Amino acid sequence: GESVGLHLPTLSVQEGDNSIINCAYSNSASDYFIWYKQESGKGPQFIIDIRSNMDKRQGQRVTVLLNKTVKHLSLQIAATQPGDSAVYFCAEKLSGNTPLVFGKGTRLSVIA
Amino acid sequence: DGGITQSPKYLFRKEGQNVTLSCEQNLNHDAMYWYRQDPGQGLRLIYYSQIVNDFQKGDIAEGYSVSREKKESFPLTVTSAQKNPTAFYLCASSPPPGLAGLNSYNEQFFGPGTRLTVL
Repeated sequence: GESVGLHLPTLSVQEGDNSIINCAYSNSASDYFIWYKQESGKGPQFIIDIRSNMDKRQGQRVTVLLNKTVKHLSLQIAATQPGDSAVYFCAEKLSGNTPLVFGKGTRLSVIA
Repeated sequence: DGGITQSPKYLFRKEGQNVTLSCEQNLNHDAMYWYRQDPGQGLRLIYYSQIVNDFQKGDIAEGYSVSREKKESFPLTVTSAQKNPTAFYLCASSPPPGLAGLNSYNEQFFGPGTRLTVL
């Protein structure tokens, strides 16, 4: 498949370990944040989201942490699996129906 | 089977020609979006439409045009004025805020993408 990002930051993790992917967002007025997973040659898939009135939200094997003080968002993946290998994007938006603004992305490589 | 479809998956164009990328959704979403993705970069917004017969420019609208005559369709035309059109194009849609469901706020749902190559 095609590469979606040849020069992205890369995180290499051993299978079974936990992964932490970080993102610095740009607008202190943003009130909604979302993480997407994108496999090569495919469209992004929703992983988890969080509103600005929360600092933590958990899903299945994933946790998103939001630190508004330093405008930082992180995605934690527990027990990382080979199928988690992909490019991960964070995105932010202001309130209302404004479009998402995407970060550059991080490539996660899982070593079996 | 609900979702967003984009066609074609691969598209080749000769330099100087216009080309139109299709995006259709049957999710009954009001808002639709077009993004461009280049290697080493995130998604950049080209155009978006919050309602039928209305659309707004995004960050990189030059050389592109759109129409929104129907709720379910948001085609993107890449014109000959776009200097570097080779890229992966992604369409997305989203429901109105407040109607996205109990566990989500305003997620954007993406199509599978169209890879455009200018020869």
